[in-house]
Amino acid sequence: EVQLVESGGGLVQPGGSLRLSCAASGVTFSDYSMDWVRQAPGKGLECVGRIRKKGSYYTTEYAASVKGRFTISRDDSKNSLYLQMNSLRTEDTAVYYCAGRWLGDWGQGTLVTVSS
Amino acid sequence: DLVMTQSPLSLPVTLGQPASISCRSSQSLVYSDGNTYLDWFQQRPGQSPRRLIYQISNRDSGVPDRFSGSGSGTDFTLKISRVEAEDVGVYYCMESTHWPYIFGQGTKLEIK
Repeated sequence: EVQLVESGGGLVQPGGSLRLSCAASGVTFSDYSMDWVRQAPGKGLECVGRIRKKGSYYTTEYAASVKGRFTISRDDSKNSLYLQMNSLRTEDTAVYYCAGRWLGDWGQGTLVTVSS
Repeated sequence: DLVMTQSPLSLPVTLGQPASISCRSSQSLVYSDGNTYLDWFQQRPGQSPRRLIYQISNRDSGVPDRFSGSGSGTDFTLKISRVEAEDVGVYYCMESTHWPYIFGQGTKLEIK
């Protein structure tokens, strides 16, 4: 059974930084691109970014709203995905989900609250 | 920018009755490989999203066959043949042909 477990969420002040992690099990992690998707409270879903697999040179894509502030990385040896979030804004407040296998698998999400 | 438009946004349905959700894209979702990357997701209250359908009409493992997807180009539909209580939640279409991948606004299905 595939499991994706996010961690690292919490309360941070505007302008601050946070690093989210996603631990994968039950899947050959290195075979897949991985995505981060967020959901602001009471709102819909937004794709934050994607990192491709080694065979696609670990290339990344970002939503315009986070480009230049967020960085996605992965460590295939640890079956782990990361989201480094810098210069956080109040509008980044959301539940952040990691997703794999072309969004066929989702974690439970981790809440990030940006507030003073 | 590409826009995904779902309708209706609210869908009250009687148990056992069919339901249908429309999703329209402002651009063709046919990719250069000939495939169309249009998925449907269900989000039950308090849960993570779950993919139901990928590439227009392919059901994910474990998804009941009362769920079906159809369409082509820019117009797509999710149908539930007979709504059950466990189907309550928000349904999203999403295109993954163009980056950034875009979700529709969501359709809230409730039992009448």
